[in-house]
Amino acid sequence: SAVISQKPSRDICQRGTSLTIQCQVDSQVTMMFWYRQQPGQSLTLIATANQGSEATYESGFVIDKFPISRPNLTFSTLTVSNMSPEDSSIYLCSVIGQQETQYFGPGTRLLVL
Amino acid sequence: AQSVTQPDIHITVSEGASLELRCNYSYGATPYLFWYVQSPGQGLQLLLKYFSGDTLVQGIKGFEAEFKRSQSSFNLRKPSVHWSDAAEYFCAVEGGATNKLIFGTGTLLAVQP
Repeated sequence: SAVISQKPSRDICQRGTSLTIQCQVDSQVTMMFWYRQQPGQSLTLIATANQGSEATYESGFVIDKFPISRPNLTFSTLTVSNMSPEDSSIYLCSVIGQQETQYFGPGTRLLVL
Repeated sequence: AQSVTQPDIHITVSEGASLELRCNYSYGATPYLFWYVQSPGQGLQLLLKYFSGDTLVQGIKGFEAEFKRSQSSFNLRKPSVHWSDAAEYFCAVEGGATNKLIFGTGTLLAVQP
């Protein structure tokens, strides 16, 4: 399976600010995904990030709020912009690894005050 | 539309007892099905997956799951639960060419000594 790391692991931010989350994979992967897990809830896909093209966002998520970069096959960033307390969540990146299986990073725990 | 239902929000079992976590899915074709586990403060770990073939799938940590097409179910089982199994369990379905995962709402497992 792919080894995925995320930075930061957790952060506390003030409303109105932005935070950029990094996702690093130990091997080249075509598809990367960003998910949000709000407190006490399940995971919801934010967007799919493919190298060399713009990210594809799911319904309810927009690029202005969650800009994504994918500069190469091992790295991606998700920015949570103009944060409000409702953005307090765990943000997870994932990749498609061997045998079409999706593997997840450890997550970034965000608290917005 | 694809969906996943986990009817049990919270389950408590005694250590050494057997466990079954329910998962029902809605998908037009044969789905790819997954079970993930999330321990407190951790990311998601893949327990097992079903793509095709044998409908009884073995996973890590002594877990297994059975795909029943007639019931649209993919229930997770373990014959003897250990205290370290206390965690949240998510069932997920992947369909189509997008590799997107649709998650259920999760089942929180507590293990009594």
